[in-house]
Amino acid sequence: GNSVTQMEGPVTLSEEAFLTINCTYTATGYPSLFWYVQYPGEGLQLLLKATKADDKGSNKGFEATYRKETTSFHLEKGSVQVSDSAVYFCALSDQGGSYIPTFGRGTSLIVHP
Amino acid sequence: SQTIHQWPATLVQPVGSPLSLECTVEGTSNPNLYWYRQAAGRGLQLLFYSVGIGQISSEVPQNLSASRPQDRQFILSSKKLLLSDSGFYLCAWSVGQQGADEKLFFGSGTQLSVL
Repeated sequence: GNSVTQMEGPVTLSEEAFLTINCTYTATGYPSLFWYVQYPGEGLQLLLKATKADDKGSNKGFEATYRKETTSFHLEKGSVQVSDSAVYFCALSDQGGSYIPTFGRGTSLIVHP
Repeated sequence: SQTIHQWPATLVQPVGSPLSLECTVEGTSNPNLYWYRQAAGRGLQLLFYSVGIGQISSEVPQNLSASRPQDRQFILSSKKLLLSDSGFYLCAWSVGQQGADEKLFFGSGTQLSVL
């Protein structure tokens, strides 16, 4: 079956530091890959996505590249801000059937001023 | 534009009491609907999903149930709450079609505390 593995958190950084949150996946087909963000006390919202190998999703300074050869979709940002503090979820969807996404466990990011 | 409403935002209930959480979607038709639970320090757990009125699939056997009485209404219920039912409950919807817009839209969540 499908699965998503994210690095354990919390990740604690100083403002303007470089961010990487690792995500690897296992899937039987050719999934679409997503990063969602959850700010404190809120629901999740889509941050970025990629639908095929070598695609790069980007939004709000965050980027992630769909790497089929390493089955990875690592999230990166060159300079984090305090307002980026949130929980980040990697997810995949199986394009072959009904849309039941598989989520990772989430990685908490804490950015200090 | 599409919106999703979920209520209440917070709820404190005694053990053994009933539960009803409601979620409605506006601005779309025939969406896929989902209930997730997020326990403290844990990831998302899919509880139920629905691809149409009256069609409910359960992912985790437990004392919760779900119903979809209308196309854009999804209700999560319990007859008797357990302490382990505490958590953050999220309703979500998707457009129900494969393609470029394969993403979930989440409600703002309900924080349930069972005491």
